[in-house]
Amino acid sequence: EVQLVESGGGLVQPGGSLRLSCAASGFTFSNYAMSWVRQAPGRGLEWVSSISGSGGSSYYADSVKGRFTISRDNSKNTLYTLMNSLRAEDTAVYYCAKGGTDYYYMDVWGKGTTVSVSS
Amino acid sequence: DIVMTQSPDSLAVSLGERATINCKSSQSVLYSSNNQNYLAWYQQKPGQPPKMLIYWASTRESGVPDRFSGSGSGTDFTLTISSLQAEDVAVYYCQQYYTTPLTFGGGTEVEIK
Repeated sequence: EVQLVESGGGLVQPGGSLRLSCAASGFTFSNYAMSWVRQAPGRGLEWVSSISGSGGSSYYADSVKGRFTISRDNSKNTLYTLMNSLRAEDTAVYYCAKGGTDYYYMDVWGKGTTVSVSS
Repeated sequence: DIVMTQSPDSLAVSLGERATINCKSSQSVLYSSNNQNYLAWYQQKPGQPPKMLIYWASTRESGVPDRFSGSGSGTDFTLTISSLQAEDVAVYYCQQYYTTPLTFGGGTEVEIK
């Protein structure tokens, strides 16, 4: 069974940092693009970042560019995002999602991890 | 950036009736080299993560009931629920994956009339 499990969320002060992880199982992780998508309370879905299967290409929303870094460890079947200089507006549930081999739809989603940025 | 505009924001449909959700992209998401529309539809029920229903604008994901169908090409797309069931109450989103930044529509909330 294909499964994604996020971890690492929590309460952090503005300006702080957090690293989220997403453990993948049930598929050949290195063959697929992966993405982070967030959802602020009561709001819609917002794409955050994506990375190719090899890790050689990564893409970011303007709202996080320069502050967030997406990465993956294909030997550990794990996706990461390092979030620096966090702001109140980064408060959201963060989902990791599996894509296609070269396509950035999202066919499997994790349950999400909550990030709250507040003093 | 490609802006995805969904309509309506919400709709109430009687059980067994048809529900139609529209999604319009600010530029074409049809890739000419493979004649594919880079458009997906997702369903999100309260307290749950989204679930992909449709990709390539009209290809139903495995396990998705056949009452869900996607249509359209270029910039105009439709998700149709042919006979609404109680378990279909959810928010539905379209998403283009033609180019980054990947973008979602604002969502359409479907409820029972």
